Amino acid sequence: GENVEQHPSTLSVQEGDSAVIKCTYSDSASNYFPWYKQELGKGPQLIIDIRSNVGEKKDQRIAVTLNKTAKHFSLHITETQPEDSAVYFCAASHNQAGTALIFGKGTTLSVSS
Amino acid sequence: KAGVTQTPRYLIKTRGQQVTLSCSPISGHRSVSWYQQTPGQGLQFLFEYFSETQRNKGNFPGRFSGRQFSNSRSEMNVSTLELGDSALYLCASSLIGEEQYFGPGTRLTVT
Repeated sequence: GENVEQHPSTLSVQEGDSAVIKCTYSDSASNYFPWYKQELGKGPQLIIDIRSNVGEKKDQRIAVTLNKTAKHFSLHITETQPEDSAVYFCAASHNQAGTALIFGKGTTLSVSS
Repeated sequence: KAGVTQTPRYLIKTRGQQVTLSCSPISGHRSVSWYQQTPGQGLQFLFEYFSETQRNKGNFPGRFSGRQFSNSRSEMNVSTLELGDSALYLCASSLIGEEQYFGPGTRLTVT
């Protein structure tokens, strides 16, 4: 079955720096790749997603890139702020509905001011 | 529009007991998925229901089951609880082919 690996497990940056989190997946049939942010005591919240027919997607300070050949995708956060501190999860799905997500283990991002 | 709601938020059960968790999806969402989150295994997919039918299933033992009602509300049941079932159980709902919205979860502790 699908396996998603996520690196690094922890990431500490200074406010204003950029942060990059990388994920690789094993199932070449995967076609939907969302990124979630989870704050303490809350459920995961979608921050950006990308489908396999797109190579890059950007939403303000957040961008995601997808390399289908290498089977990896990355989250890029620019101009980080203290409120970006949270756990970030990447995920992959191979069904058309984008459900049955397989998640990476998560990255704890700490942004210090 | 109200988000995904899960009840109860916290639950303490004893080994061997069974438990039922409830999830009310966002209005209009017909797909409901359940996930288990633990520090060791992370977020793992349990199952997905759509129009009262189980559409996808993860790799969990038969002690874990679920169902969906005609109003799209869903319940999951865990029978013969084990200590390892202690986890945050998350429910997510979505429109067909759209992003999944997660609820706050139910924290289950098995003693």
